[in-house]
Amino acid sequence: EVQLVESGGVVVQPGGSLRLSCAASGFTFADYSMHWVRQVPGKGLEWVSLFSWGGDTTYYRDSVRGRFTISRDNSKNSLYLQMSRLRTEDTALYYCARDSGGYGQTNNYFDYWGQGTLVTVSS
Amino acid sequence: EIVLTQSPATLSLSPGERATLSCRASQSVHSYLAWYQQKSGQAPRLLIYDASNRATGIPARFSGSGSGTDFTLTISSLEPEDFAVYYCQQRSSWPPVTFGPGTKVDLK
Repeated sequence: EVQLVESGGVVVQPGGSLRLSCAASGFTFADYSMHWVRQVPGKGLEWVSLFSWGGDTTYYRDSVRGRFTISRDNSKNSLYLQMSRLRTEDTALYYCARDSGGYGQTNNYFDYWGQGTLVTVSS
Repeated sequence: EIVLTQSPATLSLSPGERATLSCRASQSVHSYLAWYQQKSGQAPRLLIYDASNRATGIPARFSGSGSGTDFTLTISSLEPEDFAVYYCQQRSSWPPVTFGPGTKVDLK
């Protein structure tokens, strides 16, 4: 059974930093591209970042580029999101999501999601 | 960035009725469109990908159609567990992939 479990969400002051983690199980983690998607409670979904399978290709939405860094450790089946210079508009539930592509491709659809970890940026 | 709009914002229906949800893109996304279902307090679930293909384990009452800029998600006969928010998402032009604002299907 595929499982994604996020952790690391807390209350942090504007300008602060935070690292989110996502522990994956039930599939060959190294074979899949992985994403972070966020959702302001009660609002819609917003894609944040992608780490492609098989290498070190990363992508970000404009509003987080230069402030957030996505990384992965295939030996630990884990995905990370290092967040710095946080803003109040970064407040959201952050989901880790598996790309539906599998080995050799990135489809940019999300076939498995964690339950999310809540990041609150507030003074 | 491709903008997706969804209509209606809310759809009030009864179990057994047919639900028709619309998603429109600001420019062609070809057939690179997915639909997700999100129930209250849960993560989204992939229903449909590439406009018309059901994801693994999705019941046949869910179907998708369309191409270019206009897409439809149809639930042929609503079950009690289908009352939720539905989002469309495009992957044609990225980054970023983008989502629509959602359609809430609630109980009439």
